[in-house]
Amino acid sequence: DAKTTQPPSMDCAEGRAANLPCNHSTISGNEYVYWYRQIHSQGPQYIIHGLKNNETNEMASLIITEDRKSSTLILPHATLRDTAVYYCIVRGPTGANNLFFGTGTRLTVIP
Amino acid sequence: GAGVSQTPSNKVTEKGKYVELRCDPISGHTALYWYRQSLGQGPEFLIYFQGTGAADDSGLPNDRFFAVRPEGSVSTLKIQRTERGDSAVYLCASSPGLAAGQQFFGPGTRLTVL
Repeated sequence: DAKTTQPPSMDCAEGRAANLPCNHSTISGNEYVYWYRQIHSQGPQYIIHGLKNNETNEMASLIITEDRKSSTLILPHATLRDTAVYYCIVRGPTGANNLFFGTGTRLTVIP
Repeated sequence: GAGVSQTPSNKVTEKGKYVELRCDPISGHTALYWYRQSLGQGPEFLIYFQGTGAADDSGLPNDRFFAVRPEGSVSTLKIQRTERGDSAVYLCASSPGLAAGQQFFGPGTRLTVL
């Protein structure tokens, strides 16, 4: 599975949109982009995933570039409870069943 | 419904001792995963079960680590002759089946080896 690159940390003002970038330049055609987050002292939590098209659910939106070499997770109205480490993971549909988390982006939502 | 549960939530042991960590997956989930997370790092894969069998144990660091899932539900991670470097949060996750990228994680067991 391809590896990802994320900034180590970001800040976002409460109520504003948080845009978390991820580079995955070696992604293969059948590999999905997954996002998880981990709030302090909890296990990781699935947020969203996508292949080519942009995706939206109740938690976030995922924007994947046309060449699929990068993506952005958008939290439209960040709250203090969104403070967490966000992990971008690339995984094939029939690849290894484990998830490779990397070190993620620590998002701090500021009041 | 109930999520993934792990017991104990905290375990403190002495170097050289044996420990068992338990994971109760979501009912009906056939796949179960163990990860280990050191301070400041992302979770690292240890082992994956599909049903009762360990489908992939490539992440186990050495032969002191062993995991079982005898009835295809509850799993136990066993660590023999613990070392201080084993101190970490051990996370368990489950998913409905093969190749599921959406995994449901438990809260973890924090293991401290003195």
